[in-house]
Amino acid sequence: GQSLEQPSEVTAVEGAIVQINCTYQTSGFYGLSWYQQHDGGAPTFLSYNALDGLEETGRFSSFLSRSDSYGYLLLQELQMKDSASYFCAVPDTGRRALTFGSGTRLQVQP
Amino acid sequence: NAGVTQTPKFQVLKTGQSMTLQCAQDMNHNSMYWYRQDPGMGLRLIYYSASEGTTDKGEVPNGYNVSRLNKREFSLRLESAAPSQTSVYFCASSLTGLEAFFGQGTRLTVV
Repeated sequence: GQSLEQPSEVTAVEGAIVQINCTYQTSGFYGLSWYQQHDGGAPTFLSYNALDGLEETGRFSSFLSRSDSYGYLLLQELQMKDSASYFCAVPDTGRRALTFGSGTRLQVQP
Repeated sequence: NAGVTQTPKFQVLKTGQSMTLQCAQDMNHNSMYWYRQDPGMGLRLIYYSASEGTTDKGEVPNGYNVSRLNKREFSLRLESAAPSQTSVYFCASSLTGLEAFFGQGTRLTVV
């Protein structure tokens, strides 16, 4: 099966940079994806990495190291609206179902 | 382009009642999923459908049934609701199995 580990909570100040880590175990690896969820809202897809390296999308970047079974989401120039929960996810063998980590709650302080 | 649409948004049931949560997507995705999310928790997979005509159990299938009616629609049924099924339910769909797009959720309370 699949399992993922993330820190439960991270706190940072407005304008700073924060990194949210994710380690995973999966029998067959296809990619690591990231989601944002505001309180009371639905998860929204942010990005995914299938290959090693850094993918940048505006203020958000995602990194993957397949040899270390590790990835992270990097948020730059933090804004108050970035306060949310962030989830990493991996698909199972055959990419039929997605397993999510338990989520990291990011609190951005003024 | 509506994406993934779930109905209803809110529901209160009495223990033992049944109900069906509806989900439809207009993105021509092959895969569809039902997740539940409990307060402060992650998303746990209930059932999924990798293609029209197929359904499979996820991590927490007990007490639920699903139907993949066609490529667009994937419904979740609670035959006899229990308080332990109080949760927020999300339907999602995916084209490649690497990314998922979620509906707005159904907040279900079983009393």
